[in-house]
Amino acid sequence: SQQGEEDPQALSIQEGENATMNCSYKTSINNLQWYRQNSGRGLVHLILIRSNEREKHSGRLRVTLDTSKKSSSLLITASRAADTASYFCATDDSSYKLIFGSGTRLLVRP
Amino acid sequence: DTAVSQTPKYLVTQMGNDKSIKCEQNLGHDTMYWYKQDSKKFLKIMFSYNNKELIINETVPNRFSPKSPDKAHLNLHINSLELGDSAVYFCASSHAGSSYEQYFGPGTRLTVT
Repeated sequence: SQQGEEDPQALSIQEGENATMNCSYKTSINNLQWYRQNSGRGLVHLILIRSNEREKHSGRLRVTLDTSKKSSSLLITASRAADTASYFCATDDSSYKLIFGSGTRLLVRP
Repeated sequence: DTAVSQTPKYLVTQMGNDKSIKCEQNLGHDTMYWYKQDSKKFLKIMFSYNNKELIINETVPNRFSPKSPDKAHLNLHINSLELGDSAVYFCASSHAGSSYEQYFGPGTRLTVT
């Protein structure tokens, strides 16, 4: 299986700081997606980056993809307490299946 | 309007019972999924249907049987529940193919005692 691994498993920062989460995967992909999960809720899609893209922005989110290293990073700038959640990367191999990583738990302290 | 809805939100039942979880999406998507999230938050695909046809069936015990009466609904029936089935089950939907974002339901927390 090409399960992604997120790093770190947990991250605690002060409001206003930037948060960086990393994801590594094992095999070739078509695209990589990042999702957020608030406690007790379903996952919410944040951003999708295709294998031929290197960087993508959406508001305070910046995602990079390095297919040679099979890794991606998610940067949240100027974090807010409301960003507290678990963040998951998910990869696909051109099938209908997304493989989710183990997640990073982010705590943003007010 | 809720895009992907699941019922029930909580389900507490005893070992050996049979239970169903229902899922409906009003997004007009062709593809629906069931995921299982364990206590360590690890999310794993169980099944996927595209236009009412089963396209993904991971190594899930055959006590689990999905049913898709139409494109907007994907239900999950579980027979002879076991303690290890305790988890949060998420339904999701998307346009056909994994190159599209998936929309998740709120989850059903199943506790087997």
